[in-house]
Amino acid sequence: DTAVSQTPKYLVTQMGNDKSIKCEQNLGHDTMYWYKQDSKKFLKIMFSYNNKELIINETVPNRFSPKSPDKAHLNLHINSLELGDSAVYFCASSQARDSDSYNSPLHFGNGTRLTVT
Amino acid sequence: LAKTTQPISMDSYEGQEVNITCSHNNIATNDYITWYQQFPSQGPRFIIQGYKTKVTNEVASLFIPADRKSSTLSLPRVSLSDTAVYYCLVGSRSGGYQKVTFGTGTKLQVIP
Repeated sequence: DTAVSQTPKYLVTQMGNDKSIKCEQNLGHDTMYWYKQDSKKFLKIMFSYNNKELIINETVPNRFSPKSPDKAHLNLHINSLELGDSAVYFCASSQARDSDSYNSPLHFGNGTRLTVT
Repeated sequence: LAKTTQPISMDSYEGQEVNITCSHNNIATNDYITWYQQFPSQGPRFIIQGYKTKVTNEVASLFIPADRKSSTLSLPRVSLSDTAVYYCLVGSRSGGYQKVTFGTGTKLQVIP
């Protein structure tokens, strides 16, 4: 019973291609996130959705477009891939609903290692 | 955003107690302190969270002084499997919602 699952685990593609990463959580959480971990292992938040609504967008290039068909899914589509997009992308979820519960722990998937050649 | 500072790396022998201290001088009144553990090729995993004084669970203890400007994660009797990166975070908000920002973390190496 994987709580937060991402597919694919590995993704190797060429510059200029378009690719998608899927994420699903079965925890019943309201909020989902995408994080990017670069080669220096620094984890940086990209997006956050609450009940299918975008609530955080950390000045990520327009080539990155998250989509949340329902509150259990948050997919990430990347257009025109660049070398600098190579990283590990983590999906996460939390129970945070409002400002009173914004300290809710995050539950992470195991990541998607994207390599752009 | 409350920024956190923690040591880049630490080494410890198996069986020892490990204490990792994190400073967060600008922590806000409503912020909790949360620690995560990350193994290679895995996502971060929640370890423990606290607001003040001491919190203990089956994995670790978290000590928070009265001024809350720092916190210490204590791992009792570490084993080789505790080798990982440990992140200290304080909560922050963006438009009323949670925005969790990770720092550089502390890479703990447990030595046999």
